[in-house]
Amino acid sequence: ETGVTQSPTHLIKTRGQQVTLRCSSQSGHNTVSWYQQALGQGPQFIFQYYREEENGRGNFPPRFSGLQFPNYSSELNVNALELDDSALYLCASSRLAGGGGTDTQYFGPGTRLTVL
Amino acid sequence: AQSVTQLDSQVPVFEEAPVELRCNYSSSVSVYLFWYVQYPNQGLQLLLKYLSGSTLVKGINGFEAEFNKSQTSFHLRKPSVHISDTAEYFCAVSAQTYNFNKFYFGSGTKLNVKP
Repeated sequence: ETGVTQSPTHLIKTRGQQVTLRCSSQSGHNTVSWYQQALGQGPQFIFQYYREEENGRGNFPPRFSGLQFPNYSSELNVNALELDDSALYLCASSRLAGGGGTDTQYFGPGTRLTVL
Repeated sequence: AQSVTQLDSQVPVFEEAPVELRCNYSSSVSVYLFWYVQYPNQGLQLLLKYLSGSTLVKGINGFEAEFNKSQTSFHLRKPSVHISDTAEYFCAVSAQTYNFNKFYFGSGTKLNVKP
């Protein structure tokens, strides 16, 4: 069973630039969630994709956007980077069963984004 | 909405001593509860989870947690810690909703195991 993978591991950008982070979900999972973990804090929910559609979003501005592909991998895009976007970005995959319920989220190792 | 409070930001403890990391949550709906561990510069690893059934849940690495619905708590315990348990621990809650799986995390507790 392949776990959740993320790329790149580290990234340095300057303010105003755009960035794309990538995530490959665990085999058999159909849902991907993205989280932002600032230094010294717990992860904060950005959004979730289920069957290629966004089905939930946290308190993040529209410049945070995403995609999910037919193989359930996902991208997180951030436009017009700000200094406060510096954080560890975590991807988590899970399998939502139709009809309700939830399942454990399995996290990738994260991408460390530094905005200068 | 749900929220999670981890009452201790840091817990120092000596090796082989018992430890309890506290977690309280608030929610207007039924929830699932989780504990994750994060080692330096790594992602989150699942320790244990409560979905239903027995309120005492056993996880990996000798950790266990007890769900207390009346006190809205899900405290993590280990009877004897090792140096290798030094890490940050996060409590998380997920509402039992249809086709939506948002996790709310606490701010974390850093466990520092001393020799």
